[in-house]
Amino acid sequence: SYVLTQPPSVSVGPGRTARLTCGGDNIGSKSVHWYQQKPGQALVLVVSADSDRPSGIPERFSGSNSGDTATLSISRVEAGDEADYYCQVWDIYTEHVVFGGGTKLTVL
Amino acid sequence: QVRLVESGGGVVQPGRSLRLSCVASGFTFGSYGMHWVRQAPGKGLEWVALMWLDRSDMYYADSVKGRFTISRDNSKNMLYLQMNSLRVEDTAVYYCGRAFHDNGWYVDFWGQGSLVTVST
Repeated sequence: SYVLTQPPSVSVGPGRTARLTCGGDNIGSKSVHWYQQKPGQALVLVVSADSDRPSGIPERFSGSNSGDTATLSISRVEAGDEADYYCQVWDIYTEHVVFGGGTKLTVL
Repeated sequence: QVRLVESGGGVVQPGRSLRLSCVASGFTFGSYGMHWVRQAPGKGLEWVALMWLDRSDMYYADSVKGRFTISRDNSKNMLYLQMNSLRVEDTAVYYCGRAFHDNGWYVDFWGQGSLVTVST
Protein backbone atom coordinates (compact mmCIF):
# COMPACT_ATOMS: atom_id res chain seq x y z
CA SER A 1 0.00 0.00 0.00
CA TYR A 2 1.05 3.58 -0.60
CA VAL A 3 2.80 5.33 2.29
CA LEU A 4 3.07 9.05 3.02
CA THR A 5 5.80 10.19 5.39
CA GLN A 6 5.64 13.45 7.36
CA PRO A 7 8.06 14.70 10.02
CA PRO A 8 6.35 14.49 13.43
CA SER A 9 7.16 18.09 14.31
CA VAL A 10 8.35 21.37 12.84
CA SER A 11 9.15 24.53 14.80
CA VAL A 12 9.41 28.02 13.37
CA GLY A 13 9.58 31.54 14.69
CA PRO A 14 6.75 34.01 14.12
CA GLY A 15 7.01 35.87 10.84
CA ARG A 16 9.20 33.17 9.30
CA THR A 17 8.26 30.59 6.66
CA ALA A 18 7.35 27.06 7.68
CA ARG A 19 7.85 24.27 5.18
CA LEU A 20 6.07 21.01 5.95
CA THR A 21 7.03 18.06 3.80
CA CYS A 22 5.15 14.95 2.73
CA GLY A 23 7.18 12.17 1.17
CA GLY A 24 5.94 9.37 -1.04
CA ASP A 25 7.12 7.25 -3.94
CA ASN A 26 6.72 9.44 -7.05
CA ILE A 27 4.19 11.58 -5.17
CA GLY A 28 4.67 14.18 -7.87
CA SER A 29 2.44 12.05 -10.10
CA LYS A 30 -0.42 12.28 -7.58
CA SER A 31 -2.66 15.09 -6.41
CA VAL A 32 -1.85 16.08 -2.82
CA HIS A 33 -4.21 17.71 -0.36
CA TRP A 34 -3.41 19.31 3.01
CA TYR A 35 -5.53 19.65 6.15
CA GLN A 36 -5.15 21.72 9.29
CA GLN A 37 -6.37 20.42 12.66
CA LYS A 38 -6.60 22.64 15.72
CA PRO A 39 -7.79 21.34 19.12
CA GLY A 40 -11.55 21.52 19.50
CA GLN A 41 -12.11 22.71 15.93
CA ALA A 42 -13.21 20.96 12.76
CA LEU A 43 -10.52 19.93 10.33
CA VAL A 44 -9.97 22.43 7.53
CA LEU A 45 -8.77 21.86 3.98
CA VAL A 46 -5.99 24.41 3.42
CA VAL A 47 -4.57 23.27 0.07
CA SER A 48 -6.10 20.99 -2.55
CA ALA A 49 -4.72 19.46 -5.73
CA ASP A 50 -1.10 20.29 -4.85
CA SER A 51 -1.41 24.05 -4.83
CA ASP A 52 -5.03 25.27 -4.94
CA ARG A 53 -6.21 27.35 -2.02
CA PRO A 54 -9.88 26.98 -1.01
CA SER A 55 -11.96 30.06 -0.44
CA GLY A 56 -11.16 31.71 2.88
CA ILE A 57 -7.66 30.28 3.22
CA PRO A 58 -5.01 33.03 3.50
CA GLU A 59 -2.56 33.51 0.66
CA ARG A 60 0.20 32.73 3.17
CA PHE A 61 -0.62 29.04 2.62
CA SER A 62 0.80 27.51 -0.55
CA GLY A 63 1.67 24.07 -1.84
CA SER A 64 4.02 22.41 -4.28
CA ASN A 65 4.60 18.85 -5.42
CA SER A 66 7.42 17.30 -7.40
CA GLY A 67 9.37 14.07 -7.47
CA ASP A 68 9.07 12.25 -4.17
CA THR A 69 8.14 15.26 -2.01
CA ALA A 70 5.14 17.52 -1.62
CA THR A 71 5.47 20.66 0.48
CA LEU A 72 3.05 22.90 2.32
CA SER A 73 4.57 26.34 2.87
CA ILE A 74 3.20 28.82 5.36
CA SER A 75 4.74 32.27 5.04
CA ARG A 76 4.71 34.97 7.72
CA VAL A 77 3.79 32.36 10.31
CA GLU A 78 1.44 33.48 13.09
CA ALA A 79 0.70 31.99 16.49
CA GLY A 80 -2.73 31.00 15.16
CA ASP A 81 -1.11 28.70 12.60
CA GLU A 82 -0.02 26.35 15.36
CA ALA A 83 -1.79 23.07 14.57
CA ASP A 84 -1.40 19.56 13.23
CA TYR A 85 -1.15 19.33 9.45
CA TYR A 86 -1.92 16.23 7.40
CA CYS A 87 -1.19 15.47 3.76
CA GLN A 88 -3.41 13.11 1.77
CA VAL A 89 -3.58 11.42 -1.62
CA TRP A 90 -5.91 9.05 -3.43
CA ASP A 91 -4.21 5.76 -4.27
CA ILE A 92 -5.71 4.83 -7.61
CA TYR A 93 -4.38 1.26 -7.42
CA THR A 94 -5.99 0.30 -4.10
CA GLU A 95 -8.82 2.85 -4.41
CA HIS A 96 -8.03 4.04 -0.90
CA VAL A 97 -7.58 7.47 0.63
CA VAL A 98 -4.13 7.66 2.23
CA PHE A 99 -3.12 10.12 4.96
CA GLY A 100 0.32 11.01 6.15
CA GLY A 101 1.05 10.64 9.85
CA GLY A 102 0.75 14.37 10.46
CA THR A 103 3.14 17.15 11.47
CA LYS A 104 2.72 19.26 14.57
CA LEU A 105 3.65 22.85 13.77
CA THR A 106 4.92 24.81 16.76
CA VAL A 107 5.32 28.58 16.60
CA LEU A 108 8.17 29.53 18.89
CA GLN B 1 -22.77 27.19 4.48
CA VAL B 2 -21.82 23.51 4.47
CA ARG B 3 -22.58 21.83 7.78
CA LEU B 4 -22.00 18.22 8.78
CA VAL B 5 -23.06 16.93 12.20
CA GLU B 6 -22.24 13.44 13.40
CA SER B 7 -24.12 11.54 16.10
CA GLY B 8 -24.52 8.05 17.50
CA GLY B 9 -21.18 7.62 19.23
CA GLY B 10 -20.82 6.15 22.68
CA VAL B 11 -19.34 3.34 24.73
CA VAL B 12 -19.84 -0.20 23.43
CA GLN B 13 -18.42 -3.58 24.33
CA PRO B 14 -16.12 -5.50 21.98
CA GLY B 15 -18.05 -7.61 19.49
CA ARG B 16 -21.12 -5.38 19.63
CA SER B 17 -22.53 -3.04 16.97
CA LEU B 18 -23.09 0.69 16.66
CA ARG B 19 -24.47 2.95 13.94
CA LEU B 20 -23.17 6.45 13.35
CA SER B 21 -25.18 9.11 11.56
CA CYS B 22 -24.18 12.31 9.82
CA VAL B 23 -26.72 14.94 8.81
CA ALA B 24 -25.72 17.31 6.04
CA SER B 25 -26.96 20.79 5.22
CA GLY B 26 -25.97 23.78 3.13
CA PHE B 27 -25.41 21.87 -0.11
CA THR B 28 -27.14 19.42 -2.46
CA PHE B 29 -26.32 16.24 -0.56
CA GLY B 30 -27.21 13.87 -3.39
CA SER B 31 -24.64 15.50 -5.69
CA TYR B 32 -21.62 14.61 -3.56
CA GLY B 33 -19.75 11.55 -2.44
CA MET B 34 -19.15 11.22 1.30
CA HIS B 35 -16.34 9.88 3.49
CA TRP B 36 -15.93 8.53 6.98
CA VAL B 37 -12.52 9.18 8.56
CA ARG B 38 -11.46 8.29 12.10
CA GLN B 39 -8.82 9.38 14.57
CA ALA B 40 -7.76 7.22 17.51
CA PRO B 41 -6.88 9.10 20.71
CA GLY B 42 -3.59 10.91 20.26
CA LYS B 43 -3.10 9.46 16.77
CA GLY B 44 -3.36 10.63 13.18
CA LEU B 45 -6.17 10.45 10.67
CA GLU B 46 -7.26 7.11 9.21
CA TRP B 47 -9.64 6.92 6.27
CA VAL B 48 -12.51 4.45 6.83
CA ALA B 49 -14.90 4.49 3.88
CA LEU B 50 -16.14 6.39 0.82
CA MET B 51 -19.49 6.25 -0.90
CA TRP B 52 -20.10 7.83 -4.28
CA LEU B 53 -23.20 9.79 -5.25
CA ASP B 54 -25.58 6.87 -5.13
CA ARG B 55 -25.04 3.43 -3.70
CA SER B 56 -23.21 2.12 -6.73
CA ASP B 57 -19.67 2.43 -5.46
CA MET B 58 -18.31 2.04 -1.97
CA TYR B 59 -14.71 1.72 -0.83
CA TYR B 60 -13.39 0.59 2.54
CA ALA B 61 -10.12 0.57 4.44
CA ASP B 62 -8.73 -2.92 4.86
CA SER B 63 -9.03 -2.58 8.64
CA VAL B 64 -12.83 -2.31 8.52
CA LYS B 65 -13.79 -4.16 5.34
CA GLY B 66 -16.39 -6.83 6.06
CA ARG B 67 -17.29 -5.30 9.43
CA PHE B 68 -18.36 -1.72 8.58
CA THR B 69 -20.96 -0.61 6.04
CA ILE B 70 -21.36 2.91 4.68
CA SER B 71 -24.79 3.95 3.45
CA ARG B 72 -26.80 7.06 2.71
CA ASP B 73 -30.36 8.33 2.44
CA ASN B 74 -30.37 11.23 0.00
CA SER B 75 -34.02 12.03 0.80
CA LYS B 76 -33.00 12.80 4.38
CA ASN B 77 -29.52 14.24 3.71
CA MET B 78 -28.12 11.49 5.92
CA LEU B 79 -24.94 9.45 5.85
CA TYR B 80 -24.52 6.35 8.02
CA LEU B 81 -21.77 4.03 9.19
CA GLN B 82 -22.91 0.67 10.50
CA MET B 83 -20.13 -0.79 12.61
CA ASN B 84 -20.32 -4.47 13.50
CA SER B 85 -17.96 -6.78 15.40
CA LEU B 86 -16.34 -3.79 17.04
CA ARG B 87 -12.83 -4.11 18.41
CA VAL B 88 -10.92 -2.15 21.03
CA GLU B 89 -8.77 -0.73 18.21
CA ASP B 90 -11.86 0.83 16.61
CA THR B 91 -11.93 3.35 19.46
CA ALA B 92 -11.69 6.76 17.80
CA VAL B 93 -13.41 9.99 16.91
CA TYR B 94 -15.30 9.38 13.67
CA TYR B 95 -15.66 12.25 11.22
CA CYS B 96 -17.90 12.47 8.21
CA GLY B 97 -16.61 14.53 5.33
CA ARG B 98 -17.89 15.76 2.00
CA ALA B 99 -15.99 14.15 -0.85
CA PHE B 100 -14.61 16.08 -3.79
CA HIS B 101 -12.83 14.65 -6.81
CA ASP B 102 -9.93 16.37 -8.57
CA ASN B 103 -7.51 13.80 -9.92
CA GLY B 104 -8.43 11.75 -6.85
CA TRP B 105 -10.82 11.95 -3.89
CA TYR B 106 -10.37 14.21 -0.91
CA VAL B 107 -12.44 15.88 1.82
CA ASP B 108 -13.42 19.49 1.30
CA PHE B 109 -15.60 19.90 4.41
CA TRP B 110 -15.51 18.06 7.73
CA GLY B 111 -17.86 17.50 10.64
CA GLN B 112 -16.86 17.92 14.26
CA GLY B 113 -16.77 14.19 14.93
CA SER B 114 -18.41 11.60 17.19
CA LEU B 115 -16.46 9.59 19.74
CA VAL B 116 -16.75 5.82 19.75
CA THR B 117 -15.20 3.95 22.67
CA VAL B 118 -14.96 0.16 22.49
CA SER B 119 -14.24 -1.20 25.94
CA THR B 120 -15.18 -3.91 28.38
